Amino acid sequence: GQQVQQSPASLVLQEGENAELQCNFSTSLNSMQWFYQRPGGSLVSLFYNPSGTKHSGRLTSTTVIKERRSSLHISSSQTTDSGTYLCALYSNYQLIWGSGTKLIIKP
Amino acid sequence: EAGVTQSPRYAVLQEGQAVSFWCDPISGHDTLYWYQQPRDQGPQLLVYFRDEAVIDNSQLPSDRFSAVRPKGTNSTLKIQSAKQGDTATYLCASSRDRVYEQYFGPGTRLTVL
Repeated sequence: GQQVQQSPASLVLQEGENAELQCNFSTSLNSMQWFYQRPGGSLVSLFYNPSGTKHSGRLTSTTVIKERRSSLHISSSQTTDSGTYLCALYSNYQLIWGSGTKLIIKP
Repeated sequence: EAGVTQSPRYAVLQEGQAVSFWCDPISGHDTLYWYQQPRDQGPQLLVYFRDEAVIDNSQLPSDRFSAVRPKGTNSTLKIQSAKQGDTATYLCASSRDRVYEQYFGPGTRLTVL
């Protein structure tokens, strides 16, 4: 089975709503990272988060090692937040990728 | 600190042509990774180096792809005789030795017609 499962696969929200993205790991966690990508765009690192909670503006990432999961919370979403959010697990210094959450924020 | 740089940013080829991609990692980063990301898919690791040594190239299509990092700094990924199925974005990333966090370059978007 897949080592990294992301949910939901897609999410459509109205501007101003909050978004909650999940990443679950079937294997033990060395570390993990959240990325953002626009169609045809570069991969942007949002958080490198091996454990605990990290904040950056409207974004919050929480990784719980014991439960093998990480979440990404986007508060007060904006249309510019639209794109694909990828999480990835570090295993032996290599990244194992989730299949992504496609987020659409409507004005 | 300068980030990971890649060139060219875009390439368009006919099938059968060759192409090279170049990556300059962050200064001091010993480990360098090359990924292939087809459209609407996640990145797939092709090869990674620690200094000049190849650590894992098991996912590199060895008949047409090659990668080198001769001085343990910059790296070149080459595709001989490109196929339409090679159409993808090629990403380079680097990290410090024994540190997990990878830093990604902007990618090279390849289209093979």
